[in-house]
Amino acid sequence: DIQMTQSPSTLSASVGDRVTITCRASQSISSWLAWYQQKPGKAPKLLIYKASSLESGVPSRFSGSGSGTEFTLTISSLQPDDFATYYCQQYNSYPITFGQGTRLEIK
Amino acid sequence: EVQLVESGGGLVQPGRSLRLSCTASGFTFGDYAMSWVRQAPGKGLEWVGFIRSKAYGGTTEYAASVKGRFTISRDDSKSIAYLQMNSLKTEDTAVYYCTRERQQQLAYYYYYYMDVWGKGTTVTVSS
Repeated sequence: DIQMTQSPSTLSASVGDRVTITCRASQSISSWLAWYQQKPGKAPKLLIYKASSLESGVPSRFSGSGSGTEFTLTISSLQPDDFATYYCQQYNSYPITFGQGTRLEIK
Repeated sequence: EVQLVESGGGLVQPGRSLRLSCTASGFTFGDYAMSWVRQAPGKGLEWVGFIRSKAYGGTTEYAASVKGRFTISRDDSKSIAYLQMNSLKTEDTAVYYCTRERQQQLAYYYYYYMDVWGKGTTVTVSS
């Protein structure tokens, strides 16, 4: 199975900050990576697919990059609505696996 | 509006069975693969399994933790995906989400990611 490791597990930041979350795969997954945002008590929401493609309707302050085994999700200027938990997920092969999540907190 | 609505969750004793349903609307259900993802209380997301559309064989994939106990099926005439859960264990306690899968193709291979999620249904396995 492909292991997905996110860092950091928790991130404290302020409105307006630029933040980056890293996701590493235990083996190459090419660009078959998605990022999701989840707020407490809600279903996850797709942000990014194929490592860097922005899902329709998602604000342009979100961006993704990377290929192979190392990937990043960047939020260019944090907004109050962005404080949530973020998950990466590989869809290169089965079983599909998620990172453990990164909780983005208000500093 | 594209929508997925899960139902069928509840409290069940260990060893018993439960069937979850995912009713889709706002899109042509039969054209899409579907998945189930779960989230135990206070934990992260865990993929449960996947069913391809009939055009791609309608075949399934499962996580090792549920293989042989859980079965995913679909009824395209009703726009419903099912998750049949047998021999339930306490560790199956979770919110279960139904997801729609969007397909990407590269050469002869197909890759799927989850573009639409339902709100989830809660399954509690306890005596």
